[in-house]
Amino acid sequence: AQKVTQAQTEISVVEKEDVTLDCVYETRDTTYYLFWYKQPPSGELVFLIRRNSFDEQNEISGRYSWNFQKSTSSFNFTITASQVVDSAVYFCALVGVNQGGKLIFGQGTELSVKP
Amino acid sequence: NAGVTQTPKFQVLKTGQSMTLQCAQDMNHEYMSWYRQDPGMGLRLIHYSVGAGITDQGEVPNGYNVSRSTTEDFPLRLLSAAPSQTSVYFCASSFHDSVYGYTFGSGTRLTVV
Repeated sequence: AQKVTQAQTEISVVEKEDVTLDCVYETRDTTYYLFWYKQPPSGELVFLIRRNSFDEQNEISGRYSWNFQKSTSSFNFTITASQVVDSAVYFCALVGVNQGGKLIFGQGTELSVKP
Repeated sequence: NAGVTQTPKFQVLKTGQSMTLQCAQDMNHEYMSWYRQDPGMGLRLIHYSVGAGITDQGEVPNGYNVSRSTTEDFPLRLLSAAPSQTSVYFCASSFHDSVYGYTFGSGTRLTVV
């Protein structure tokens, strides 16, 4: 069975602080993909990143960075120098390559960035 | 290129009524799926499909039916609406290798009274 856990339900920071959103997953597949999505207050789901289980390199995109650690089954997301526009719900998700598109989401972390 | 189109955006149903939520994509994606989003519970998978003629159940399939007669369309049918089905519904699609991620529709907000 696949499972994604985002233990942080809500996080509140002040603008310019760094913040890390945690994601822990469970899967029996040896090949799988991990994702992060952003859901701003307007409600749409915005794709941020896809990570292949064979690629453990950390990735940086502007103020966003992702730390994938297979040994601890974690795929954490860090926002550096947070901004008010980062306020949103962030979802981590997982699909096994043999799961035929069965993408499973965590419960989400609501990030509030205050000015 | 419209992406994933969901209709309607809003719907109010009475308990026991049936309806179909429409989902269409124009990206030639093999995979399509339906989710419901409830407060504090993230997105839960209802049904999914890996191609025309092939569907399977997700985490919360009860009360919902799907079919996939074409690559483009993946309608979700509520057979007899219940207040517990009040939710926001999202349709998503992807290539089989999901290299560009899953693309989501804008959602349907359904209220069952």
